[in-house]
Amino acid sequence: DAGVTQSPTHLIKTRGQQVTLRCSPKSGHDTVSWYQQALGQGPQFIFQYYEEEERQRGNFPDRFSGHQFPNYSSELNVNALLLGDSALYLCASSFGTGNSPLHFGNGTRLTVT
Amino acid sequence: QKEVEQNSGPLSVPEGAIASLNCTYSDRGSQSFFWYRQYSGKSPELIMFIYSNGDKEDGRFTAQLNKASQYVSLLIRDSQPSDSATYLCAVYHSGNTGKLIFGQGTTLQVKP
Repeated sequence: DAGVTQSPTHLIKTRGQQVTLRCSPKSGHDTVSWYQQALGQGPQFIFQYYEEEERQRGNFPDRFSGHQFPNYSSELNVNALLLGDSALYLCASSFGTGNSPLHFGNGTRLTVT
Repeated sequence: QKEVEQNSGPLSVPEGAIASLNCTYSDRGSQSFFWYRQYSGKSPELIMFIYSNGDKEDGRFTAQLNKASQYVSLLIRDSQPSDSATYLCAVYHSGNTGKLIFGQGTTLQVKP
């Protein structure tokens, strides 16, 4: 039973560039949530995708956007990267949009220089 | 006031002792509560969830929920050095289903 998979594992980008992170949910899950985790902090909710639509969004600027595909996989795009975007980006999947537990992937470590 | 609050620690306990981790939340209507463990450099791993007032036990772990006091805790019995990690408390809001809010985490150190 495949868990949540994320790619790439690590990424180094330059300020002003754009980045795309990818996520495949756990088998049987149809909902994908994205989180940003800065060092020493808890994960911060970016947004959630269900039925290929953004259902919930946290306090992140429009530079952060996403997409969900018919196979439930998802992408997170960040434009005009800032130094402060350096963080661990976590994808989590669940079943439905209710209050079910989230299962996390291993994350993508993004460094912006 | 933060939506989910935890003492960042570190909480240091000797091997074999009981570790008690605490969390408070601000949304009185919250219904679902989770504990995640996160080792350094790794992603969060779900260890417990609780929906009803009272205690829920799973092996060495016990989650306790008191909705009247807006308080949830995690007890780890017979603590082992391998339990050393950051423990994240997470809560779903009552009116914002789908948005799981995390505390900043409590770092636990279990000393041999």
